[in-house]
Amino acid sequence: GIQVEQSPPDLILQEGANSTLRCNFSDSVNNLQWFHQNPWGQLINLFYIPSGTKQNGRLSATTVATERYSLLYISSSQTTDSGVYFCAVVSFTDRGSTLGRLYFGRGTQLTVWP
Amino acid sequence: NAGVMQNPRHLVRRRGQEARLRCSPMKGHSHVYWYRQLPEEGLKFMVYLQKENIIDESGMPKERFSAEFPKEGPSILRIQQVVRGDSAAYFCASSQRTGLEVEQFFGPGTRLTVL
Repeated sequence: GIQVEQSPPDLILQEGANSTLRCNFSDSVNNLQWFHQNPWGQLINLFYIPSGTKQNGRLSATTVATERYSLLYISSSQTTDSGVYFCAVVSFTDRGSTLGRLYFGRGTQLTVWP
Repeated sequence: NAGVMQNPRHLVRRRGQEARLRCSPMKGHSHVYWYRQLPEEGLKFMVYLQKENIIDESGMPKERFSAEFPKEGPSILRIQQVVRGDSAAYFCASSQRTGLEVEQFFGPGTRLTVL
């Protein structure tokens, strides 16, 4: 299947700082989603962004499909941003993905201190 | 508009018992996916269902695991004779249609602990 690599694996910030999380993938994708897993374990949809740029409040994301990467920007971070951020993709080149199977990266663990 | 619902949120079973996990998709969604999050393996696809049909179960263990999505009612992931290695978070996702360019919406998960 398609390989999804996220970096950095861990990130520690002070409240108010900005950060950039990266997701690299090994093949062309048709679907890319960013999720936040909060400290209670819930998976929250952040962005559906197979290409282009989107913004939602302090968060924005950019996917450059031709270069096989996506970036998640968090500005003015808050303690409530803590948790694990996952990138997941669907690729038409993967047999399972023709049916919508998402492949997840291992995530970036973000800790924001007050 | 309610999101994807899963219950129970936490489930404790002893080895050898059965576990039943339920998932109600978002209103208007007829496609359901189950994923499992194991501590050392991350989030992995298990099975994809439409109403009354299993479309892709290639990610599901061959034994003890089964899934269904009946015409009426929630989707059920069933684990028979649970073992400690089944302890994990199980997530359900739903989508409005099938295909490559479709957003999946996730439920809050069920955390299964096998004693």
